[in-house]
Amino acid sequence: EIVLTQSPGALSLSPGERATLSCRASQSVDAIFFDWYQQRPGQPPRLLIYGASTRAAGIPDRFSGSGSGTDFTLTISGLEPEDSAVYYCQQYSYSPYTFGPGTKVEIK
Amino acid sequence: QLRLQESGPGLVKPSETLSLTCTVSDDSISLNYWSWIRQAPGKRLEWIAYVHSNGEVNYNPSLESRATISVDTSKNQVSLKLNSVTAADTAVYYCARGSTGRYFWGQGSQVIVSS
Repeated sequence: EIVLTQSPGALSLSPGERATLSCRASQSVDAIFFDWYQQRPGQPPRLLIYGASTRAAGIPDRFSGSGSGTDFTLTISGLEPEDSAVYYCQQYSYSPYTFGPGTKVEIK
Repeated sequence: QLRLQESGPGLVKPSETLSLTCTVSDDSISLNYWSWIRQAPGKRLEWIAYVHSNGEVNYNPSLESRATISVDTSKNQVSLKLNSVTAADTAVYYCARGSTGRYFWGQGSQVIVSS
């Protein structure tokens, strides 16, 4: 089973700042099968990025994804108050399809 | 817009069977794959299984011996049964469109396993 590790576990930033979230896989995965999700309090996860770098429909362009192999990054440029959430990475290159533990982003 | 509504008992006794239903709001149930994913307190999201109306199913090996996923196109519903539950099965259970990724999620159904 592929284990995903996310860092940092949490970060607190001010509106307008940039957040850089990392996800590392225990072995190389195909970037085509790598997603990022956002989960706001009391809400289900929402797809942000698929294929490591493609924004899902309706996702603002301040969200961007990059990476390959074992290292992937989600960048949020110009944080907005509504970006306060937990962000999860997911790989589905290999079954079972696994998720990271999440990074909690707090907006000061 | 697609809506997924999970429903279930909320409270299940240890050793019993957990049964959940997901009602799909539009006519896409035969066209898509459907999954169940759960989120236990303090734990990461865990994919349970996916199903297609063509009969294709796939399970997480960690749960395969206890889980059964099915789809009923006449009712626009996707179901999950998990038998021999323990406290470790306490979680929010999500229904989602998709098989392996790019999920669109329902609101979730809280299930507590307790006597």
